[in-house]
Amino acid sequence: GQNIDQPTEMTATEGAIVQINCTYQTSGFNGLFWYQQHAGEAPTFLSYNVLDGLEEKGRFSSFLSRSKGYSYLLLKELQMKDSASYLCAVRGAAGNKLTFGGGTRVLVKP
Amino acid sequence: DADVTQTPRNRITKTGKRIMLECSQTKGHDRMYWYRQDPGLGLRLIYYSFDVKDINKGEISDGYSVSRQAQAKFSLSLESAIPNQTALYFCATSFVSRTGGIETQYFGPGTRLLVL
Repeated sequence: GQNIDQPTEMTATEGAIVQINCTYQTSGFNGLFWYQQHAGEAPTFLSYNVLDGLEEKGRFSSFLSRSKGYSYLLLKELQMKDSASYLCAVRGAAGNKLTFGGGTRVLVKP
Repeated sequence: DADVTQTPRNRITKTGKRIMLECSQTKGHDRMYWYRQDPGLGLRLIYYSFDVKDINKGEISDGYSVSRQAQAKFSLSLESAIPNQTALYFCATSFVSRTGGIETQYFGPGTRLLVL
């Protein structure tokens, strides 16, 4: 089976850094995705990791450790528009479907 | 124009009614998916299709059916709607590149369904 855990909610201050953790237990692994979803809108793709290590994309970075079944999304220099839910999703096997975690709602305060 | 569209965007129906949610895409993707989203539960896969002749059940397919009429269209039906099917429904598409690259899913804007 597939099990993906991430915190329900986090609060941070504008300009600060926030780290959203995701742990997973899946049958097979073929990549981990992070999506951003503003309230009432569609999820949009942020990042992808399939090998261990850090992927950096502007203010956002994502890290993966396959041996630990662990990933994090790091948001730097937080802006008010970063207030959203962040979804961790794992693809279990080649060509297989995604399994999503419950999402982490991030609230950025002035 | 949006690449993945869903109709209707909002729908209110009564228990026992049959309803259909439509999804269309202009991305030329082979793969299409239907998810539902409930507060705190994330996105859960209902059905998915890898081409016109391929239909697969997801983790919560009971009470739902789908039709892949063409590469660009994937419809979700609730045969007899019940209140616990009240949720936000998303369609998504993806493709597998023969030259490599990430198979990313692209989501439609969602359909908000209320079953009374």
